[in-house]
Amino acid sequence: ELKVEQNPLFLSMQEGKNYTIYCNYSTTSDRLYWYRQDPGKSLESLFVLLSNGAVKQEGRLMASLDTKARLSTLHITAAVHDLSATYFCAVDNNNDMRFGAGTRLTVKP
Amino acid sequence: DVKVTQSSRYLVKRTGEKVFLECVQDMDHENMFWYRQDPGLGLRLIYFSYDVKMKEKGDIPEGYSVSREKKERFSLILESASTNQTSMYLCASGRGGLPNQPQHFGDGTRLSIL
Repeated sequence: ELKVEQNPLFLSMQEGKNYTIYCNYSTTSDRLYWYRQDPGKSLESLFVLLSNGAVKQEGRLMASLDTKARLSTLHITAAVHDLSATYFCAVDNNNDMRFGAGTRLTVKP
Repeated sequence: DVKVTQSSRYLVKRTGEKVFLECVQDMDHENMFWYRQDPGLGLRLIYFSYDVKMKEKGDIPEGYSVSREKKERFSLILESASTNQTSMYLCASGRGGLPNQPQHFGDGTRLSIL
């Protein structure tokens, strides 16, 4: 059974700092997605990673995928308050999507 | 833009009632999904469908059923609602056969069972 684990579950950062969110999964897959959810809102797609070594960057966020280690990372560079949200990774196992528990990120001035 | 529309943002029902949650997407997507979201548990897949009249169980199908009579509509049914089904329910759709397409989510239905 596919299991997806994210850590940390809660993250409080100072503005300007860097940090990494980790997403581990238990079975072979080369389809991994990162989503953002703002309070009271639905999920918004951030990144789609489809192969080993894939790296995608958008602004201060960079996502990578290591299928051999079954690990994806979401790296935050020089955090700003607007990045405060909950971030989810999701792994696709033949259209059976499994989500991590989410990382609630708070960026403080 | 893809639009996934859930019929209600907030819904309050009583224990034992039969509850219908409706979801419609306008992008001709093959795949549709129902999740529930609970604090600390992330999103858990209830059921998904990859074609009309087709359905597959997800992580937590017990107490739920689904219906997909038309490609654009995917309904989640709580046969006899119980208080532990109080949750946020999210519907999503996605293009089949194209792994580089993410799912598109509706705004969610916050369901309370009293």
